[in-house]
Amino acid sequence: NAGVTQTPKFQVLKTGQSMTLQCAQDMNHNSMYWYRQDPGMGLRLIYYSASEGTTDKGEVPNGYNVSRLNKREFSLRLESAAPSQTSVYFCASKVGGYSYNEQFFGPGTRLTVL
Amino acid sequence: AQKVTQAQTEISVVEKEDVTLDCVYETRDTTYYLFWYKQPPSGELVFLIRRNSFDEQNEISGRYSWNFQKSTSSFNFTITASQVVDSAVYFCALLTDSNYQLIWGAGTKLIIKP
Repeated sequence: NAGVTQTPKFQVLKTGQSMTLQCAQDMNHNSMYWYRQDPGMGLRLIYYSASEGTTDKGEVPNGYNVSRLNKREFSLRLESAAPSQTSVYFCASKVGGYSYNEQFFGPGTRLTVL
Repeated sequence: AQKVTQAQTEISVVEKEDVTLDCVYETRDTTYYLFWYKQPPSGELVFLIRRNSFDEQNEISGRYSWNFQKSTSSFNFTITASQVVDSAVYFCALLTDSNYQLIWGAGTKLIIKP
C-alpha cells in the first residue's frame, strides 16, 4: 500500500497563476482533508470531505476550491495564486466520516508563490 | 472555545536525557480524543498515539510515555533516554464530537544533540 500520495512535491508559481494539487489514498478511507502548514502555526484545515460526494470548508478556505473526484482522490485547486498561499500543503485521510480515528498524512507539497 | 496549547516552542537536550513535551487543551465537550504526531526533518507527519477522554491510564510504548490528566487538561509526552533520531517537531491535537475536526497545537521542536 502506498498510503496517501501527493503530487507534485514542489511547485513554484507566479502570482495569479492557477494549479491543482493532487491527492490519492489507497486505504479505502471515507474522509479526506487538505491542510496548510506555516511556520510556527501548526496545521490549519482548508477543506475536508467526510465522504465521497461531500465537501466542507475548514478554517482557511478562502482562495481554494476542492473536488472529491471519487473515494480515492481529493484535489485542491488554487485559481489565482497569491504570495500568502506560499506554504506546505498536506493531504490526509481517515477511516470513517465523523469519527475519532487517526488521520494518515501524505508527504506534503511545498508551494512557493512569487 | 476549543484550543490546544504547546507552550514550548523549542527544546534542546543532550542525547540520553529524558524530555517532556507539554500539551494543554481546552474543550467543554465531555467526549474527546487527544493525539500526538511526529514530524521529522523529512517532513512527513507520523501518528504516535490517540487517547480518549474516558481513559486516564498512562500509556508506555518503548521509550515513549504519555501522561493524561483531565484535572489539569494536559496530555504530556515524555521521551526517556532520548536519541538523535527523536529530533523532530511534535504536535498535539484535539478532536471532539462538536465537529470531528482536529484542532492542532503549534508544535514543539525537539532537538537532541549527540
